[in-house]
Amino acid sequence: AQSVTQPDIHITVSEGASLELRCNYSYGATPYLFWYVQSPGQGLQLLLKYFSGDTLVQGIKGFEAEFKRSQSSFNLRKPSVHWSDAAEYFCAVGVWQAGTALIFGKGTTLSVSS
Amino acid sequence: DVKVTQSSRYLVKRTGEKVFLECVQDMDHENMFWYRQDPGLGLRLIYFSYDVKMKEKGDIPEGYSVSREKKERFSLILESASTNQTSMYLCASRGQGWETQYFGPGTRLLVL
Repeated sequence: AQSVTQPDIHITVSEGASLELRCNYSYGATPYLFWYVQSPGQGLQLLLKYFSGDTLVQGIKGFEAEFKRSQSSFNLRKPSVHWSDAAEYFCAVGVWQAGTALIFGKGTTLSVSS
Repeated sequence: DVKVTQSSRYLVKRTGEKVFLECVQDMDHENMFWYRQDPGLGLRLIYFSYDVKMKEKGDIPEGYSVSREKKERFSLILESASTNQTSMYLCASRGQGWETQYFGPGTRLLVL
């Protein structure tokens, strides 16, 4: 069955340091992959998505993600974290299930220390 | 500006009550979704709809039903609320294919 695994429940990064959030997926076909962010008390916002083509995709707020088929991974990165990046991050895979739906991972909470 | 609205931000209900959560989108989207969000469990898909009057079960449909009589409105129904249905409920909508999926602000439901 299709699934998304985010191995890290909580990560703390110093402001200005680089960030990598891990995501592994399980899906038989070519995956459609997404990263969403949820700031405290806010709804979910799309950061970036991968459908095909260039395996390095750029998103909003300075985020990027790299699709690696051999590792079934879609890790999210940012070169320099800002305090406002503290939030919960969700990786998702698009699946076809009599219609199309997003299946989400359990999320990674990012804390930023000064 | 795209918008997905949910009828209530906070809701308190008693065990056994019938509960309606309403979601409206103004983007003429075909697809609409209901998720519940619980700490440590992420977002889990309850039901979705890809057209008016059409519905499909997600991963955790037990104890829930849905209704989509009009394209812009998708309702989640808890036939007999139970305490284990205390959660944050998120509605989302999306156009055809894999366009961006937009989320509502969520309804935090407490069942006593």
